[in-house]
Amino acid sequence: EVQLVESGGGLVRPGESLRVSCAASGFPLSSSSIHWVRQRPGEGLVWVSRLDRDGSVTTYADSVKGRFTVSRDNGENTVFLEMNSLRVEDTAVYYCAKGNRGGWFDPWGQGTLVTVSS
Amino acid sequence: QSALTQPPSASGSPGQSVTISCTGTSSDVGADDYVSWYQQHPGKAPKLIIYEVSERPSGVPDRFSGSKSGNTASLTVSGLQADDEADYYCSSYAGSNNYIFGSGTKVTVL
Repeated sequence: EVQLVESGGGLVRPGESLRVSCAASGFPLSSSSIHWVRQRPGEGLVWVSRLDRDGSVTTYADSVKGRFTVSRDNGENTVFLEMNSLRVEDTAVYYCAKGNRGGWFDPWGQGTLVTVSS
Repeated sequence: QSALTQPPSASGSPGQSVTISCTGTSSDVGADDYVSWYQQHPGKAPKLIIYEVSERPSGVPDRFSGSKSGNTASLTVSGLQADDEADYYCSSYAGSNNYIFGSGTKVTVL
């Protein structure tokens, strides 16, 4: 079964850093891209980042460019989202999702909540 | 980049149909057939229900259908059931490995 499981969310203060993880099972990360999508409390889905299947090309939304970095560990079949200089407005549930050639996301992980507050 | 435009809400009685629009630009929705739709129940992760404008993943009932005309995509839910009450989001490829979601539509089954 293809599955993604996020972990690492928590409470941090503005300006601090946090790394969340996305563990994949049922498929090798080298076979597809992985995306990060976030959802602020009570709001809609917002695309954040993409890591291509080669693990070498990354793309970011303007709102996180220069602060967030996505990477992966092939040995652990895990993708990481390193978030630096966190802001209150980065508070959200962060989902990872498997990308597909037609631009669709499936499956999704269960999400991990990141709260940025003083 | 702003979100694709969806109506905030839609509703229908059980058995009726509801159609949700998703309006973008010629750079995203209108550029190709890379439009997808997601259903999200409260507190749950989104679930893919339509991909490439009108294709249904295995296990998704044929009550869900998608279409597109120009810069506007649409999702129709026919034969509304109680479990269809959820938030629905469209998504589109926006070029240069960027993606964009719609603002979301809350569907209420009356």
